[in-house]
Amino acid sequence: NFMLTQPPSVSESPGQTVTISCTASGGNIGRNYVQWYQQRPTSAPTTVIYEDNQRPSGVPNRFSGSIDYSSNSASLTISGLKTEDEADYYCQSYTDINQAVFGGGTKLTVL
Amino acid sequence: QVHLEESGGGVVQPGKSLRLSCAAAGFTFSHYGMHWVRQAPGKGLEWLTYILYDGSEQFYADSVKGRFTMSRDDSTQTVVLQMQRLKTEDTAVYYCVRDGRPLLRSLDWLGTWGQGTKVTVSS
Repeated sequence: NFMLTQPPSVSESPGQTVTISCTASGGNIGRNYVQWYQQRPTSAPTTVIYEDNQRPSGVPNRFSGSIDYSSNSASLTISGLKTEDEADYYCQSYTDINQAVFGGGTKLTVL
Repeated sequence: QVHLEESGGGVVQPGKSLRLSCAAAGFTFSHYGMHWVRQAPGKGLEWLTYILYDGSEQFYADSVKGRFTMSRDDSTQTVVLQMQRLKTEDTAVYYCVRDGRPLLRSLDWLGTWGQGTKVTVSS
């Protein structure tokens, strides 16, 4: 079964850069696109990265996505951290039988 | 402006059925595939099901296949999630989500989310 694994939590200071990883198992990370979603407390998720490294309109360029084929993982990098970036972040991709799969989520704390 | 509004949530006993609806506005509904995603209390996101823009196919997570059915009505711009034989572990907030791009024959990124409707399965 294709699965995505994220660290439960990360923390960093305002102004710094943080990277959240998303490691695939049971399949190749590069076979399908990876998305990233931000969910602030008590709110619905929103998309911050789609198709590995594309930003929807309105998402600042402080957010970037990448794929590391050697480690079979995807990463979300947020630079110039702001307190408003404090949220849960989920990676998402697909199986070969048209199912979406989410990672377990990472809680970002901006200290 | 794209808007999705879920309804139909509430408290239901185990083994019973419940029907969730999602009313869409602000876009050409018949051009977009739609998803349902849920989030159990304090837990992560779980994708449940997807329907193609033309309604010709639906795809389901293994966890709900055979119990949940997704459908769409383009005349009312609504998608429906019919849930049967509910279990306590189905307790969650259920989100309706629109595909990122139109007219695709497979799942796209989850572009726009509704605010969710809460379902509690309890005796």
